Amino acid sequence: AQSVSQHNHHVILSEAASLELGCNYSYGGTVNLFWYVQYPGQHLQLLLKYFSGDPLVKGIKGFEAEFIKSKFSFNLRKPSVQWSDTAEYFCAVNAGTYKYIFGTGTRLKVLA
Amino acid sequence: GAVVSQHPSWVICKSGTSVKIECRSLDFQATTMFWYRQFPKQSLMLMATSNEGSKATYEQGVEKDKFLINHASLTLSTLTVTSAHPEDSSFYICSARPVGGTDTQYFGPGTRLTVL
Repeated sequence: AQSVSQHNHHVILSEAASLELGCNYSYGGTVNLFWYVQYPGQHLQLLLKYFSGDPLVKGIKGFEAEFIKSKFSFNLRKPSVQWSDTAEYFCAVNAGTYKYIFGTGTRLKVLA
Repeated sequence: GAVVSQHPSWVICKSGTSVKIECRSLDFQATTMFWYRQFPKQSLMLMATSNEGSKATYEQGVEKDKFLINHASLTLSTLTVTSAHPEDSSFYICSARPVGGTDTQYFGPGTRLTVL
């Protein structure tokens, strides 16, 4: 069965620190990959997505992610986090259907 | 653009009653809408996929007679939790995929259901 793993469940960083959140999926075929963010009390918002082309994808708010096919990974990065990045981050994959499979999420807390 | 609303945002009901949750795409038409359930501190679990004018497709383990889904138009899908019980208390989130769009889904703000 297809699955998505986010290994970091909770991450605490100081402002200006660099961020990398891991996302691995299990599916051998063509995939579409997404990162969503859920700020406290708000709904899921799309940060970035990868369908094809350049494996380094830039999203909103300074986030980027790199698709490494050989590693089945789509890690999210930001060079310098801000207090306002405190949120929960979800990686999602859809493979062959319109359905998303979500990872378990990573709660990021940025200390001012 | 691509705004999805849900109503109500929260609801408290008594055990045994039914609750209807609406999901609307406000500025686009949605071929497909999805209903998810999110447990505290857990990920979103897909419950069902609904296509306008046809029956919903439920994920394994989701009772279709308990969670009734109707997708009456290209901008509205409803989820009715029938004979609700405390274990149905959860956060229900819908998403919508635009007509002719890519595989991107746009999410609603969710509905918090508490069954007493």
